[in-house]
Amino acid sequence: GNSVTQMEGPVTLSEEAFLTINCTYTATGYPSLFWYVQYPGEGLQLLLKATKADDKGSNKGFEATYRKETTSFHLEKGSVQVSDSAVYFCALINSGGYQKVTFGTGTKLQVIP
Amino acid sequence: DARVTQTPRHKVTEMGQEVTMRCQPILGHNTVFWYRQTMMQGLELLAYFRNRAPLDDSGMPKDRFSAEMPDATLATLKIQPSEPRDSAVYFCASGLVSPLQYNEQFFGPGTRLTVL
Repeated sequence: GNSVTQMEGPVTLSEEAFLTINCTYTATGYPSLFWYVQYPGEGLQLLLKATKADDKGSNKGFEATYRKETTSFHLEKGSVQVSDSAVYFCALINSGGYQKVTFGTGTKLQVIP
Repeated sequence: DARVTQTPRHKVTEMGQEVTMRCQPILGHNTVFWYRQTMMQGLELLAYFRNRAPLDDSGMPKDRFSAEMPDATLATLKIQPSEPRDSAVYFCASGLVSPLQYNEQFFGPGTRLTVL
């Protein structure tokens, strides 16, 4: 079956530090990959996505590249802000009729001034 | 600005009581999901509807949970009887899915349920 593994949190960084949150996946076929973000007290929001190998998703300064050879989709940001403090979820969906999303366990990011 | 709405936002109840949570998906979306989020288990998919038909409810305890879509504008999740272990945040999400394309899920703000 499908699975997503994220690095354990919480991750604590100082403002303007470089961020990497690791995500690896197991899936059959050619899944689409996503990063969702959850701010405190809110539901999840799509942050970025990539639908095929070597695609790079980007949004709000965050980037992730779909690496089929390493089955990874690591999230990066060059300079984090306090407002980036949230929980980040890596997720995948397989192509085909069912299209159930498999989420990772989430990584909490705390950015301190 | 279309968004998924959920009611109530907070619910405190006593063990054994019935709980009903409601969700209004975004107009035009054909899929609805119910998730439960806890610190221990993370985000769990409880049920998944497409075009109002249940496609997967394998994540839901059948003896006490039920999910329905009486019409395209309303999805409900019921717990009867409720237990303290049901305390969690319940999210509804909707999306537009076709066999050839997946579009993102839009999440509601959640219902925080506390069962005493």
